Amino acid sequence: SQELEQSPQSLIVQEGKNLTINCTSSKTLYGLYWYKQKYGEGLIFLMMLQKGGEEKSHEKITAKLDEKKQQSSLHITASQPSHAGIYLCGAANAGGTSYGKLTFGQGTILTVHP
Amino acid sequence: DAGVIQSPRHEVTEMGQEVTLRCKPISGHDYLFWYRQTMMRGLELLIYFNNNVPIDDSGMPEDRFSAKMPNASFSTLKIQPSEPRDSAVYFCASSQWRDYNEQFFGPGTRLTVL
Repeated sequence: SQELEQSPQSLIVQEGKNLTINCTSSKTLYGLYWYKQKYGEGLIFLMMLQKGGEEKSHEKITAKLDEKKQQSSLHITASQPSHAGIYLCGAANAGGTSYGKLTFGQGTILTVHP
Repeated sequence: DAGVIQSPRHEVTEMGQEVTLRCKPISGHDYLFWYRQTMMRGLELLIYFNNNVPIDDSGMPEDRFSAKMPNASFSTLKIQPSEPRDSAVYFCASSQWRDYNEQFFGPGTRLTVL
């Protein structure tokens, strides 16, 4: 089965600083999803990457998928307290009987101090 | 649309009792997923449905867990009998049938089994 490893497990930054969260897969990624979760709430979809070398941005958050499609990074520029939460990466299987199934990493806990 | 709706939001029960968690997916979504989240194991997929039919239940921990989807707008996850190790946050998510489409998560049900 596909396994995802996120690093770091937790991150504490000062407001205004840049930061990067990594997600590494043991297998080729056919679809890589980034979600954000606030304590006590469900997951909010951020972005999905599918093609090798693909990069997407939304406001101050940029996600990239490497050419080999086994690693993704999430970069936040000029972090704000509103960015605090748990960031999870999720990987889609190639298809077949497991179409639509996502496997998630353990998550990265981000704290942003004002 | 109201998004994915889950009930109850919190459930406290005693060991041995039956617990039923409920989910209403987003209208028009063909896939429904049940996840469990704990500190130790992270976010795990328990079972998912496509057009009300269970596709993959390999994540269901044991026979004490069962899930049904009698129609396109309702699903239940039942634990009988419940045990303290079942304490977790249970999420329901839904998505449309489309290649690698994002999943929309409900707010979760926090289950505590005493």
